[in-house]
Order: sequence, then structure tokens, then C-alpha cells
Amino acid sequence: NAGVMQNPRHLVRRRGQEARLRCSPMKGHSHVYWYRQLPEEGLKFMVYLQKENIIDESGMPKERFSAEFPKEGPSILRIQQVVRGDSAAYFCASSPDEIGGYTFGSGTRLTVV
Amino acid sequence: AQSVAQPEDQVNVAEGNPLTVKCTYSVSGNPYLFWYVQYPNRGLQFLLKYITGDNLVKGSYGFEAEFNKSQTSFHLKKPSALVSDSALYFCAVSSYSGGGADGLTFGKGTHLIIQP
Repeated sequence: NAGVMQNPRHLVRRRGQEARLRCSPMKGHSHVYWYRQLPEEGLKFMVYLQKENIIDESGMPKERFSAEFPKEGPSILRIQQVVRGDSAAYFCASSPDEIGGYTFGSGTRLTVV
Repeated sequence: AQSVAQPEDQVNVAEGNPLTVKCTYSVSGNPYLFWYVQYPNRGLQFLLKYITGDNLVKGSYGFEAEFNKSQTSFHLKKPSALVSDSALYFCAVSSYSGGGADGLTFGKGTHLIIQP
């Protein structure tokens, strides 16, 4: 069981470019969560998805950010027109149900230059 | 809204001594409580969780946590600290309303430093 796979591990983007972060959940897990880690704020919830559905996106910025979890393939967190403030570590977690027992990926560290 | 407080940015403990990392929470409904550990340049690792049942929860690497409903606390403990326990520890809470998770709310994290 390979666990939660996130790629790339490190991503550098220039201001204005698009960033795509991928997350493959553990086998058998159909619930995916995205979190952002900023140095002064700790981890922040962004979005909760099940296959083909966004369940809770209350933590997502209203503009430039979007997420999907298609029927086939990984979950994608997409950031359009990145700015320096988007630089952070983005973690994905998956679970078999909505209660918990999450497994986290190793994260993607986004640097905007 | 739910929240988690980890009042200590850093905890220093001598190797072999007992350690406690504090966590208090606020949530409407039943709390589901978690502890995670993060080593440098690594993802979060699950340590333990409280869903229901015994207030003392045992987890990975010899860690345990005690759920105290009246004090709304879920402190992480270990009887004898190891240098390899040095890491960043996150407490997290989730509420399960029956209609789906609200996502985890994390504390800011506590740096645990174990001195040889």
C-alpha cells in the first residue's frame, strides 16, 4: 500500500503562472482533503472532496484556486496566476470515510518567484 | 466554528524524562481529536486519535493522550522521552455532525526538543 502520493514534491513557479498539485489517495480511500501550511499559521483546511464532488470548500480562497477529484485519476489542486503569498506547503490527506483516520501525503512545497 | 490551541510554541525536555504537549479545543458537537507529528521535510504522520471510549488513548511510538471533556483538553504524553522524539507536533479537532466532516482544524504546532 503506497500511501498518499503527492507530486511534485517541489514546485517553482513565476508570478502569474499556473500551479497544479496532484494527490493520489490511498487505495480504497474516496475522501480527499487539501491543507495549506504557512509558517505562522499552522495548517489550514482548504477543501474536502469525494469522487466527482466538492463537499466543503469553505477554506478555499474565492479566486484563483480550484480543486477537483475526478472519477479516474488523482485529485488536483489548481492555482491560477500565482502570487508570492501562495508560497507554502500544500498537504493532501485521504480517509476511507468522513470521520477521520486520515493519512497524509508528504506535501508539495510551492515557491513563487 | 471549531478551534485548537497549543499554548506552547516550544517544549524542552531532557531525555528520559516524561513529556507533555498541551492542547485545548473548542467544537460544537462531539469532538474527534488527533495528534500528528511532522519531521523536517516530511509529511504529517498520524500518532493517535480519540473518537469515543476510554479517555486515555495509546498511539504510535509510545505516545498517549488523555481526553478531558470538562477541561476540553487532549494533552499528548510520553513517560520517557527520546532524542528522536524531537519534532513538530500538531493537535487537530474535527466535528462529526453526521452529515460529513468539517475538515480538520489544526493547532499552530509545538516544537518538541529533547535534550540528550
